[in-house]
Amino acid sequence: DGGITQSPKYLFRKEGQNVTLSCEQNLNHDAMYWYRQDPGQGLRLIYYSQIVNDFQKGDIAEGYSVSREKKESFPLTVTSAQKNPTAFYLCASRPGGAENTEAFFGQGTRLTVV
Amino acid sequence: RKEVEQDPGPFNVPEGATVAFNCTYSNSASQSFFWYRQDCRKEPKLLMSVYSSGNEDGRFTAQLNRASQYISLLIRDSKLSDSATYLCVVKGGKLIFGQGTELSVKP
Repeated sequence: DGGITQSPKYLFRKEGQNVTLSCEQNLNHDAMYWYRQDPGQGLRLIYYSQIVNDFQKGDIAEGYSVSREKKESFPLTVTSAQKNPTAFYLCASRPGGAENTEAFFGQGTRLTVV
Repeated sequence: RKEVEQDPGPFNVPEGATVAFNCTYSNSASQSFFWYRQDCRKEPKLLMSVYSSGNEDGRFTAQLNRASQYISLLIRDSKLSDSATYLCVVKGGKLIFGQGTELSVKP
């Protein structure tokens, strides 16, 4: 089945460790996005990529890094520089070009840093 | 000023009520507009796109006012199953979400 997959669903890490969240899609979508959601809050954009080998910072990029070496994959690394990394992380993808096309989300990764 | 702003609610309404949500956006160059629904601890899912002429999907009606830079969502005949958080989404270069409006429909 086509879709967007995030793994793992739950992730625990010690403070000071880097951690990489996986996001894979087989929808042949050009654009991919990473968001962070805190309890009772909306989604805040971390990074986005509109095409392979290119990505841009979103509104809260500090302490995060991404890569887009393949169309299907857009991994997010939460570095030790991120002051408050515990959150719900959501990855999305959508076709490039056409404007009124929906974004599809993965099921999210809940990261807890202890 | 946030790029996309919504009243966070919560909106507590009885079954059968009509409820309206508004959302304002700051970037006049924004090209596409959507309403998403998010259930507790789940990923957001598209409810409907918003077109310039307004559009309807069953009990849901979406409107766009480009001059005033706001979009709206009207839900008629509310059902218990409509209880969720409704997210306004605006696309310019980026895909920006509002903070969401929580709706609770009571029996």
